[in-house]
Amino acid sequence: GDSVTQMEGPVTLSEEAFLTINCTYTATGYPSLFWYVQYPGEGLQLLLKATKADDKGSNKGFEATYRKETTSFHLEKGSVQVSDSAVYFCALSVKETSGSRLTFGEGTQLTVNP
Amino acid sequence: EPEVTQTPSHQVTQMGQEVILRCVPISNHLYFYWYRQILGQKVEFLVSFYNNEISEKSEIFDDQFSVERPDGSNFTLKIRSTKLEDSAMYFCASSREHYNEQFFGPGTRLTVL
Repeated sequence: GDSVTQMEGPVTLSEEAFLTINCTYTATGYPSLFWYVQYPGEGLQLLLKATKADDKGSNKGFEATYRKETTSFHLEKGSVQVSDSAVYFCALSVKETSGSRLTFGEGTQLTVNP
Repeated sequence: EPEVTQTPSHQVTQMGQEVILRCVPISNHLYFYWYRQILGQKVEFLVSFYNNEISEKSEIFDDQFSVERPDGSNFTLKIRSTKLEDSAMYFCASSREHYNEQFFGPGTRLTVL
């Protein structure tokens, strides 16, 4: 079946540090890939997505590139802010085999200190 | 900005009791979903719902679970006879079209004692 694996957390960084959160996947078909973010007390929000190989999703300074050869979709940001503190979830969906359901990774707690 | 809302934020119940978790999806959305996250585990898909019917469900969504859209605004998840292992955070989501972005609610934490 489909699965997503994220790097183990939590991650603690100082403001303006570089962020990488690793995400790898296995899928039965051709997946679309997503990063969701959850701020304290709120629901999951779509941060960015990519639907085909070599696509780069970007939003709010975050980027992730769909790498089919390494089955990866790592999240990066060049300079994190305190306001980026949240839980980040990598996810996929495979339209052909599992419709619109999202398959999530474990989530990575990011804390950014001033 | 429109958002998905869920009530209650926390529900405590005794094993064997029925619970109903409520969600109000975004008003012009047509597809509705329930996910759950057991503490320390991944967010898992339970069910999707469109046009008053279940369109997809996971292995988790057995006969103990049911979903309903009782009126034009609410979307509910019912667990008939709760078990200890049903303790989890339950997230509702909605999307305007199939395969579109899913918008999530803040979740209901269910604790079964």
